[in-house]
Amino acid sequence: DAKTTQPPSMDCAEGRAANLPCNHSTISGNEYVYWYRQIHSQGPQYIIHGLKNNETNEMASLIITEDRKSSTLILPHATLRDTAVYYCIVRASTGANSKLTFGKGITLSVRP
Amino acid sequence: AAGVIQSPRHLIKEKRETATLKCYPIPRHDTVYWYQQGPGQDPQFLISFYEKMQSDKGSIPDRFSAQQFSDYHSELNMSSLELGDSALYFCASSLRENTEAFFGQGTRLTVV
Repeated sequence: DAKTTQPPSMDCAEGRAANLPCNHSTISGNEYVYWYRQIHSQGPQYIIHGLKNNETNEMASLIITEDRKSSTLILPHATLRDTAVYYCIVRASTGANSKLTFGKGITLSVRP
Repeated sequence: AAGVIQSPRHLIKEKRETATLKCYPIPRHDTVYWYQQGPGQDPQFLISFYEKMQSDKGSIPDRFSAQQFSDYHSELNMSSLELGDSALYFCASSLRENTEAFFGQGTRLTVV
């Protein structure tokens, strides 16, 4: 019962920006948007999260629309090592229901 | 920086046997989550603990049990193993609930 929808796959050229979209039209006011990625059979890796403001860290930028119904994860200069499944997850900010619910994710393939 | 440690990394058991998976969270983290990822599937939430108390429960079979100890490490006990239990089992930890969770590298369980 993931609350997000993502395209199944996309690709981009190495060195270019990768823009990964996510729809979360039923997001509640107290829910954050989290992004994780999983490189083949490794543990999921935390990337970034945000509530309503855009966020940036050393890995990526997160752009959240003003109505919070969608967001985009931006990898500014994709490398071959960024090839992975990327999961967009909506998660409660308070209370005991803090589990991360993984949906299908988007498979990003970075080509040389 | 210290990460989440899971042991063993690989485990082979026969049907109807018992297995115990261990998870050592990042120091000072008080919340632990367990996930199961079958072949070609996305991670599925099993159970979580906060301050040594169970805080949430997902699709965890009755044959499985888990607990979090006084030093915050956690163990997942699996009994009467079935072929379908063959999967990657991930543990994640966070500082309190509702903050970013960091995953271990997983335990690959093979039931033969």
